[in-house]
Amino acid sequence: KAGVTQTPRYLIKTRGQQVTLSCSPISGHRSVSWYQQTPGQGLQFLFEYFSETQRNKGNFPGRFSGRQFSNSRSEMNVSTLELGDSALYLCASSRRGVHEQFFGPGTRLTVL
Amino acid sequence: DAKTTQPPSMDCAEGRAANLPCNHSTISGNEYVYWYRQIHSQGPQYIIHGLKNNETNEMASLIITEDRKSSTLILPHATLRDTAVYYCIVRAPGKETSGSRLTFGEGTQLTVNP
Repeated sequence: KAGVTQTPRYLIKTRGQQVTLSCSPISGHRSVSWYQQTPGQGLQFLFEYFSETQRNKGNFPGRFSGRQFSNSRSEMNVSTLELGDSALYLCASSRRGVHEQFFGPGTRLTVL
Repeated sequence: DAKTTQPPSMDCAEGRAANLPCNHSTISGNEYVYWYRQIHSQGPQYIIHGLKNNETNEMASLIITEDRKSSTLILPHATLRDTAVYYCIVRAPGKETSGSRLTFGEGTQLTVNP
């Protein structure tokens, strides 16, 4: 069965622009979480969605937002990009009663 | 979530067992121990989890001490493809509608040498 897919895989933006990243969870998975990974801060939780509602949020500024659609696909948006937003953005999906979370390959965002 | 402590790096010879330790002395009674690994620039991969009994699957074994304050992940026959950062995470089980959050520490960089 298909894994978690993330698009695009690579993205280059300039400071001040905004970006939208997409995540398609494994079929049947209703929970989607987003993480940011940077060399300095490691893997940090951004937010979690279930049934189109944000259920949990990490310690990130309001420039970072997300949403989930009725088919469980999720998008995250970063507005007014800063150099420090350059990172690997990872999406993970899971389903009810299962401990395991499945991660996608990530989107590598570079802000110039 | 309880804090975990792992050595920053370990080496292992190919074909030998790799034993990765994790300390979680403040673990609560309902918290599980999870292990994930991340091969360079890929998404993390779930390996195994446990509550208090030892667990084994096709990838690894998890040994949890009786007092649950520490655990060891065992890769029985390490290969070069097992070179990765291994994360030990302690957390309570999530509810259906929330609680999938994972708190990653710095993990252990395991290098398997030929």
